[in-house]
Amino acid sequence: AQRVTQPEKLLSVFKGAPVELKCNYSYSGSPELFWYVQYSRQRLQLLLRHISRESIKGFTADLNKGETSFHLKKPFAQEEDSAMYYCALVPAGTYKYIFGTGTRLKVLA
Amino acid sequence: GAGVSQTPSNKVTEKGKYVELRCDPISGHTALYWYRQSLGQGPEFLIYFQGTGAADDSGLPNDRFFAVRPEGSVSTLKIQRTERGDSAVYLCASSLYPPVRGEYYGYTFGSGTRLTVV
Repeated sequence: AQRVTQPEKLLSVFKGAPVELKCNYSYSGSPELFWYVQYSRQRLQLLLRHISRESIKGFTADLNKGETSFHLKKPFAQEEDSAMYYCALVPAGTYKYIFGTGTRLKVLA
Repeated sequence: GAGVSQTPSNKVTEKGKYVELRCDPISGHTALYWYRQSLGQGPEFLIYFQGTGAADDSGLPNDRFFAVRPEGSVSTLKIQRTERGDSAVYLCASSLYPPVRGEYYGYTFGSGTRLTVV
């Protein structure tokens, strides 16, 4: 079955501390993976996608096919990073996102 | 418009009633999607329109749900005989082109309509 798992509902870190939001996926083919972010009272928006290998707002994510993971990382958390983060998968031959249940990141002052 | 607009932002209805949720995509976007987000869950795919036609409605949960996009721009999601389990945030998204694997899949999402069935 195609599935995205985000094991942490809530992650609290102090400002300046490293952040890692976990994402594991279940998919038999070659996945396309994304991270979406939703700040308070704002709409869901794309943060980054694995095929572009980009860094957005200091966040990076590396696809590890051996561990079927796509964890989101940032070396130094900032208060404005507090938001809901969703990992998502697009299976081959489709255009439908399969989203995880999300992780709420709280960055404490 | 500048973004994807969804109306109403909140809708409370009684069990058994009929509701319509509206989505106004970004001007010129040919692809339009509806997702449903239940409490504590990520968004789940409902239906995809390419132009006026529903290219994929496999995510609609049952025949009480129906969506249209008659002129290829605004779309309406219609729910008949609403049930308490239909309570969720209904998200609409649009993209300029039909999605092609390997290309940019980043939809532009609307703010959603929070539907509460009492």
